[in-house]
Amino acid sequence: DIQMTQSPSSLSASVGDRVTITCQASQDISNYLNWYQQKPGKAPKLLIYDASNLETGVPSRFSGSGSGTDFTFTISSLQPEDIATYYCQQYDNLFTFGGGTKVEIK
Amino acid sequence: EVQLVESGGTLVQTGGSLRLSCAASGFTFSKYWMTWVRRAPGKGLEWVANINQDGSEKYYVDSVKGRFTISRDNAQRSLFLQMNSLRADDTALYFCARGTNTIGPWGQGTFVAVSS
Repeated sequence: DIQMTQSPSSLSASVGDRVTITCQASQDISNYLNWYQQKPGKAPKLLIYDASNLETGVPSRFSGSGSGTDFTFTISSLQPEDIATYYCQQYDNLFTFGGGTKVEIK
Repeated sequence: EVQLVESGGTLVQTGGSLRLSCAASGFTFSKYWMTWVRRAPGKGLEWVANINQDGSEKYYVDSVKGRFTISRDNAQRSLFLQMNSLRADDTALYFCARGTNTIGPWGQGTFVAVSS
C-alpha cells in the first residue's frame, strides 16, 4: 500500500501570507497526485489534478508542484475564504489520501 | 448542474447491515466510474470503493473487503454501498463522488454511526 504523509497537520497564517503544504509518498507515484479542499460542512472539492494542473474555475492563487515522491501545494496569498482542510490524494496504486492540513486565519 | 445525493445513513448496532444509496443527476451517469469515500469523526478522508461504468470492475480498501459491496443501477442513475458486519471504526460520513483517479464532484454525505 502507498502511504501519503502530509504536513503540517494544521497551520495558522495571516491574510495575504504564502502558505505551503507538503505531501510525501512512500514510493514513486510519478505525477499521479491530486489536491482537494474541504470547507467546514461542505463536500470536498478538487483543486489541482496530476500534481500541477489547476481545475477549471479554481483561483490562480492555488498551485501544485512535484513528482515522484515529493509534492507541494501553495496558496500564494491566503484569503479568508480559503479556511478549509486540504488533502493530497495519490492514484498510482488504488487510492490514498494524506492526513489533511487544517488552514486557519491568524 | 451535477448533483449527487446520498441517503441511508443511520445509527446501527455493531455487526449490523446498512445500504447506502446515491442518486445522481445532471450528467450521463452510465459513462462514469463512481466512488465512495468516508471521513470518520476527527480523521481525514479515506477512499472506500469504486466501480466502473458497467459494474464489471470493483475495488475496495482492505479494511472493508469481504464486508462492503459497491454496486450501481444505470437505469435508475443510482450508486449503492451494501455494508455488512459493521464495526465501530466504520462510523463516518460517507460521500458519493463521480470519477475514479480524479474524484469530483462529491455529494454532501450521509452519516453512519455504529454503536454497541
